[in-house]
Amino acid sequence: GAVVSQHPSWVICKSGTSVKIECRSLDFQATTMFWYRQFPKQSLMLMATSNEGSKATYEQGVEKDKFLINHASLTLSTLTVTSAHPEDSSFYICSAPDKTSTDTQYFGPGTRLTVL
Amino acid sequence: QKEVEQDPGPLSVPEGAIVSLNCTYSNSAFQYFMWYRQYSRKGPELLMYTYSSGNKEDGRFTAQVDKSSKYISLFIRDSQPSDSATYLCAMSARTGGFKTIFGAGTRLFVKA
Repeated sequence: GAVVSQHPSWVICKSGTSVKIECRSLDFQATTMFWYRQFPKQSLMLMATSNEGSKATYEQGVEKDKFLINHASLTLSTLTVTSAHPEDSSFYICSAPDKTSTDTQYFGPGTRLTVL
Repeated sequence: QKEVEQDPGPLSVPEGAIVSLNCTYSNSAFQYFMWYRQYSRKGPELLMYTYSSGNKEDGRFTAQVDKSSKYISLFIRDSQPSDSATYLCAMSARTGGFKTIFGAGTRLFVKA
């Protein structure tokens, strides 16, 4: 099946710094990618939809200036958490739909962010 | 009312039992129905995918969709300790731009 990778798999940073997370579709092109956030023992919360060549669409309550999304190519989307705070610590997961086959979401392995 | 309702459990069963996991939903536009398995500290892994109503079987897993009742199920036969994980139902509609809505996830424990 289709593969989506994320990098890094985990990161620890200091408050006030910025962290970039990459999401790549390895064997298919993705004009759209989704970014989710998951707190412990909770389900996935959609943060934003990343669109190749245009601005991302953010869900209600998600600060677009804090969570910068760039979809630079058909296989790469990045999420930058700016001026990170401890409450931003979470598990961030990206996904991409494979429109050429079953329209199924393929998820990356996730990035665990810890802000000290 | 949430768009997708799923009992969070936890659900504990003995090895070899048949497990039934369920979700209900309110949006009749949903066409694509998925079940994902998520192990602790990992990303979700697609288990089953069903388009519209009907049944789908893959090994020990059977997915059922009843659109008239807005109800989907995942059955696991001969459950194994390695099946212990959180199971998330998910659904989407083409008209929604493939925006996937997830259930809360059901934590399953299969005891050896």
